[in-house]
Amino acid sequence: QVTLKESGPVLVKPTETLTLTCTVSGFSLRNTRMGVSWIRQPPGKALEWLAHIFSNDKKSYRTSLKSRLTISKDTSKSQVVLTVTNVDPVDTATYYCARIHGLFDDAFDIWGQGTMVTVSS
Amino acid sequence: SSELTQDPAVSVALGQTVRITCQGDSLRNSYASWYQQKPGQAPVLVIYGKNNRPSGIPDRFSGSSSGNTASLTITGAQAEDEADYYCNSRDSGDNHNYFFGTGTEVTVL
Repeated sequence: QVTLKESGPVLVKPTETLTLTCTVSGFSLRNTRMGVSWIRQPPGKALEWLAHIFSNDKKSYRTSLKSRLTISKDTSKSQVVLTVTNVDPVDTATYYCARIHGLFDDAFDIWGQGTMVTVSS
Repeated sequence: SSELTQDPAVSVALGQTVRITCQGDSLRNSYASWYQQKPGQAPVLVIYGKNNRPSGIPDRFSGSSSGNTASLTITGAQAEDEADYYCNSRDSGDNHNYFFGTGTEVTVL
């Protein structure tokens, strides 16, 4: 069974760095047809794609947030990590990780349950 | 442009057909995928590629596209189809940037 699970702090103060971890199971981060993205959703708002990492470690970022985002992976631990620097209350959102599978025309076929992060002093 | 625009809300009578549209420049070169999201839950993939459904998705869901517009059609809407629906596509360049639509809230009457 393929699963993804997000973990990280519930509350972060403004200007701090947010670190989120996505632990995957049921597939390998080495699989060349798969990658993992981070996506967020502010309360009551639309989904927003943030970053993606491929099996070959190539990365892509949302243009407007590129300077604040870093995505990385530890294949041996089956984990994908996203850091967001200098957070602001507008970064308050549910953060999801999701798998992209080439077999599904690069659609997000499996999602984690999401983790809610609040940015507040 | 990276924006994908959807109608904010649509309603459909039980058993009738509803079409949700998604417009954006990236759709000229990339298929849309569609996601269903119910309150408090993670999104679920319902359509991908030209018109494909993942295992477990009812065949009343179908997708199509023309030019810069992609559509999701629910034929014979059921009460359980009431949800928010989001389209998604990626740019055609080497950047592999992805874009979500603004979302459509579907109400089944």
